[in-house]
Order: sequence, then C-alpha cells, then structure tokens
Amino acid sequence: GAGVSQSPRYKVAKRGQDVALRCDPISGHVSLFWYQQALGQGPEFLTYFQNEAQLDKSGLPSDRFFAERPEGSVSTLKIQRTQQEDSAVYLCASSLERPGGGELFFGEGSRLTVL
Amino acid sequence: GENVEQHPSTLSVQEGDSAVIKCTYSDSASNYFPWYKQELGKRPQLIIDIRSNVGEKKDQRIAVTLNKTAKHFSLHITETQPEDSAVYFCAATVGGSQGNLIFGKGTKLSVKP
Repeated sequence: GAGVSQSPRYKVAKRGQDVALRCDPISGHVSLFWYQQALGQGPEFLTYFQNEAQLDKSGLPSDRFFAERPEGSVSTLKIQRTQQEDSAVYLCASSLERPGGGELFFGEGSRLTVL
Repeated sequence: GENVEQHPSTLSVQEGDSAVIKCTYSDSASNYFPWYKQELGKRPQLIIDIRSNVGEKKDQRIAVTLNKTAKHFSLHITETQPEDSAVYFCAATVGGSQGNLIFGKGTKLSVKP
C-alpha cells in the first residue's frame, strides 16, 4: 500500500498484559514517529527514529514503554504491564526527511483499551 | 522543552464566515509550523505548513501567518463550508530542524449550514 499501515487497529488488553503495536511506514521514509492521542486531545509525542536510530525518546511516559526500528523500516511500540491510563490511540507517522523537512504522513492508529 | 498552546479549543461559525485559530510556541529555534486536520475517527492530515523564513502562505481558502518575534502563528479559513468541520491541530518543531514535532491540543471547528 502507499500509506502508513498500523496493526492491530483495535486492541483490548487486560491490565497487566503486554502489548505490541506495529507500524509499516511509507517505503523510503527516513523519519518515523510514535504519538499517543487520548480522547479529545492532540497527539502527544512519544519517540522518534531517523532510520534505525532512536534519536528522541523523551516522550515515553515510563520504562514500560519501549520502541524499536531495527532495520530502519518497520517499527514496533511495546507496552509492558499495561495500565488503564495507557488506553489511547497510538499514532505512527513517517516522513521522507528529518523533522522540519516536510509532511508527516499518519497511519490510522491503533486504539488500545486496557480493562 | 517546547510548549505549543492553541486556542480556542472550540469554534463555531456560520457557513461562509471566516475562522481563525491561533497558536503560540516557546522554542525560538522552531522553524517549521504545520497545521493538521483530523476528522472524527480518521488520521490527521496536513492542510498547510509554513517555514520560519516566510511570514505568510496561502492555499485557496486557507492561509497561515507566522510572527517569529512574538512566537505565534495562525490559521485562517475563509468562506467556511460544512466539510471544514473537524479538529485542527497546530504543531512546531523542537530544537530546529533536527527536533521532533510537538502538537497543540486542537480546536474543534463546527461550521453550521
């Protein structure tokens, strides 16, 4: 496909479970971002990759959150021991260039509900 | 760190009127300022952006202005239509071109026919 693809689209987890969210960016895009969007709020920055290098992870809310992009393409956001406050839509975005170089293309998001 | 403030949080206008949404940012190194539109249940999509070397940019009914001295930028929509109803987010880069993108909290625009 031509766009950013995220899976799963919907995930329901019991509190304490681990979850993994996948992002397939647009082919050739250098930059990849993860954002967390709570209901009625703006996207909150979590982490950013340039190719396989994680250049900024200052937005990850706790050490339960971990992201990787080992080959500079697909990325996975992992949340360990999920809590109810982790419930949100997790948006992935990619860009051809580094931030400030051009448009971010967003995926449809993965909606996580923690019971 | 960078802080992006956006207001108003909600805006209701009559079809055909203009709508203005304003944002301020704190990082003087910010140099890229995009605006995204997000319809209910959909992904955010870029509608217009502006770089720090430009004061104004226009694309049909949409325009963005930037005041670097005051560190604020605004989105202007003229001749609003019902399909303009959505949530609009402003954003700014952190730490210049190497930084990530920080978003405002959004403005829910309702255009009444």
